[in-house]
Amino acid sequence: GIQVEQSPPDLILQEGANSTLRCNFSDSVNNLQWFHQNPWGQLINLFYIPSGTKQNGRLSATTVATERYSLLYISSSQTTDSGVYFCAVGGGADGLTFGKGTHLIIQP
Amino acid sequence: SQTIHQWPATLVQPVGSPLSLECTVEGTSNPNLYWYRQAAGRGLQLLFYSVGIGQISSEVPQNLSASRPQDRQFILSSKKLLLSDSGFYLCAWRRIEAFFGQGTRLTVV
Repeated sequence: GIQVEQSPPDLILQEGANSTLRCNFSDSVNNLQWFHQNPWGQLINLFYIPSGTKQNGRLSATTVATERYSLLYISSSQTTDSGVYFCAVGGGADGLTFGKGTHLIIQP
Repeated sequence: SQTIHQWPATLVQPVGSPLSLECTVEGTSNPNLYWYRQAAGRGLQLLFYSVGIGQISSEVPQNLSASRPQDRQFILSSKKLLLSDSGFYLCAWRRIEAFFGQGTRLTVV
């Protein structure tokens, strides 16, 4: 099956810093999503981005499908950005394959 | 708009007891439905998916089963729970983009 690798696994930053999270995947996909898992475990949709670039406030994402990677950018980090960020990819109806996530801690 | 409901939020069950977790979706028809489990650590593992009523595909052999008795209802079951069934269970629906329920934290004691 498809492999998804996320880096870095852990990241500790000061409030106000910028960060870049990376997702590499092993095969072509037609679905790529970024999620933020909050402290209560809920998965919050950030981006649906099988290709191209999108921005939503302080967050933006870029997927280069031909090179099989995606990047999530977080600017001017806030403590509420803390949590685990997942990249998930998929092809057909048989569900998404998740990476192991990046655990982000934003310190005040 | 579409919403997904999953319950209960937390559950503590003894080893050997049965399990039934329910998930329902509102505001859409004929969605693809999914059950995932997140064990200690971070990864989410796909357990089952369904593309229609009565159609269930299993991704991994296990002590669990799934059923889809209605278009927008997906149920995760077990006849006898094992300690290894403990984890965080998430239901999801998808047409193009996937959306997740709030999850059930199951502890088997």
